[in-house]
Amino acid sequence: DTAVSQTPKYLVTQMGNDKSIKCEQNLGHDTMYWYKQDSKKFLKIMFSYNNKELIINETVPNRFSPKSPDKAHLNLHINSLELGDSAVYFCASSPGQRLNQPQHFGDGTRLSIL
Amino acid sequence: DAKTTQPNSMESNEEEPVHLPCNHSTISGTDYIHWYRQLPSQGPEYVIHGLTSNVNNRMASLAIAEDRKSSTLILHRATLRDAAVYYCILRDVSLGANNLFFGTGTRLTVIP
Repeated sequence: DTAVSQTPKYLVTQMGNDKSIKCEQNLGHDTMYWYKQDSKKFLKIMFSYNNKELIINETVPNRFSPKSPDKAHLNLHINSLELGDSAVYFCASSPGQRLNQPQHFGDGTRLSIL
Repeated sequence: DAKTTQPNSMESNEEEPVHLPCNHSTISGTDYIHWYRQLPSQGPEYVIHGLTSNVNNRMASLAIAEDRKSSTLILHRATLRDAAVYYCILRDVSLGANNLFFGTGTRLTVIP
């Protein structure tokens, strides 16, 4: 059973397009996150949601819009894709926001912009 | 978050213990020490965390120095599956959000 699943695993598209990445967790967690890992392998938080409410938006262009229809899902929609958006995007979840609670990550979505 | 310093890379022979060091000289009293690892082409995976006392779980042990300015992740018998990048992360409980700030980590190579 996959705990945190992301779709698609790979996404290749052209500059200027709009695309979405879906994330679902079956752990019953209240908090979900999106991270971006760039070509230099640095992992950086983008957003965190707790019970469908946005908690953190870390200096991310407003072309990126997360949406949480329920607490088991956190989707990421990206408008007007740019070359610099090429990266691996990871979704994660945790039971809550307490700092000693581990996060569970999906296997990532590799986004390539042509 | 307070800064952590880790060696860029380490090597270990298979089935031998591995000690992965982390320095965090600016750690505050409310910082938890977390370790995650990232296997090739996978998302990060939680390994262990602690505050002051040494911790053991099924994956590893965490040894925390008495002054808390350094810690060591111990893999008791390295396997090929343990080849990954290991991240040492400090989490300040005074901050409101449970966001992880990853550094560059230590790339562990396990030699058969």
